[in-house]
Amino acid sequence: ETGVTQSPTHLIKTRGQQVTLRCSSQSGHNTVSWYQQALGQGPQFIFQYYREEENGRGNFPPRFSGLQFPNYSSELNVNALELDDSALYLCASSMDRMGAKNIQYFGAGTRLSVL
Amino acid sequence: DQQVKQNSPSLSVQEGRISILNCDYTNSMFDYFLWYKKYPAEGPTFLISISSIKDKNEDGRFTVFLNKSAKHLSLHIVPSQPGDSAVYFCAASGGNQGGKLIFGQGTELSVKP
Repeated sequence: ETGVTQSPTHLIKTRGQQVTLRCSSQSGHNTVSWYQQALGQGPQFIFQYYREEENGRGNFPPRFSGLQFPNYSSELNVNALELDDSALYLCASSMDRMGAKNIQYFGAGTRLSVL
Repeated sequence: DQQVKQNSPSLSVQEGRISILNCDYTNSMFDYFLWYKKYPAEGPTFLISISSIKDKNEDGRFTVFLNKSAKHLSLHIVPSQPGDSAVYFCAASGGNQGGKLIFGQGTELSVKP
């Protein structure tokens, strides 16, 4: 039991729509990271938030945005959905950003399908 | 540019024998390495980690070895059990990459009874 929960489990959207994915981090973890995992690949880093501020961003366009709230919850928003956005989206929380405190604990993910 | 690579997509091992999963990296600035296990329809589960200042870390049946000169790490599972069958990812962090984890492509381990 990692204590990280994500909702919804599955989601189907059409191209051009917008989507919001939600995550509840483990209590006491002030860092949350979001990853996209395509089929047969390892998770790809989207961005990380530390104490409600963005703390690093991967190679994803600005239509991928996020928020982190004081109550250990966070959101991933994707605008203007494209077919290639279909993937498993993973949220992970950690105590801090570096070293052993950056051991990230993952939720079960949200499977997004864009038609 | 794939900074972390797992060159074996799959591995099959007999129950009770040793499983060795390998991972190579290119960025010498990485200072922390992790292994995750993933079952279908679940998120990755943290297994074991190692700091770049060490060359070995052991936790029960799982041991991770780090060879910094070769930029190579491996995960040993002894003895292997059918419940270990899953996809294993290695990941690296630190240095100029900040707090993000950079994952390999994964190796699917199958442990046969």
